[in-house]
Amino acid sequence: DAGVIQSPRHEVTEMGQEVTLRCKPISGHNSLFWYRQTMMRGLELLIYFNNNVPIDDSGMPEDRFSAKMPNASFSTLKIQPSEPRDSAVYFCASNLRGKTYEQYFGPGTRLTVT
Amino acid sequence: AQSVTQPDIHITVSEGASLELRCNYSYGATPYLFWYVQSPGQGLQLLLKYFSGDTLVQGIKGFEAEFKRSQSSFNLRKPSVHWSDAAEYFCAVGGMDSSYKLIFGSGTRLLVRP
Repeated sequence: DAGVIQSPRHEVTEMGQEVTLRCKPISGHNSLFWYRQTMMRGLELLIYFNNNVPIDDSGMPEDRFSAKMPNASFSTLKIQPSEPRDSAVYFCASNLRGKTYEQYFGPGTRLTVT
Repeated sequence: AQSVTQPDIHITVSEGASLELRCNYSYGATPYLFWYVQSPGQGLQLLLKYFSGDTLVQGIKGFEAEFKRSQSSFNLRKPSVHWSDAAEYFCAVGGMDSSYKLIFGSGTRLLVRP
């Protein structure tokens, strides 16, 4: 089975530009999580969805960040406008709520904002 | 507050030597416990998990971990380290509520001497 798929793998953009990160969870999984990883702050949970509905977005750093999950097989994390401090690796993970607690991670998107 | 502590930021071992990575958690009841490994430029891969039952759990790549309730610990062990084990290791705790969120430790970077 295909694992969690993220695109792009690398993104370099200029400050002020809009950035959209994409995630396809494992087929059949009903919960999706967006994380950000930096050297300073480690792995932070930004937002998670259950059955396509956002449940907890308390980790979203500010209004410049938004996430959507229009269907069970696709989610986006958007940053508008982007800033250099948004540079990080962004991970998407999924699991099957009600069956397992372990989360399965995608390969991540390395974002660099110049 | 719920938390996970990995007290060792870096650990260096010689190839063939045994390994133990420490993890302590703070939680009022029995949590669900996980160890993940992250190789450079990769996502997090699940090594093993503990939900209930036998407190010594086996995982992939020859790793095992032992849940000790009295010490609130879930240390990761491997009897003989291979150079390919060099990576960052994360302990995580979940099941604290119905959210299915995981709380991650700050990670331990393992370096392997030839």
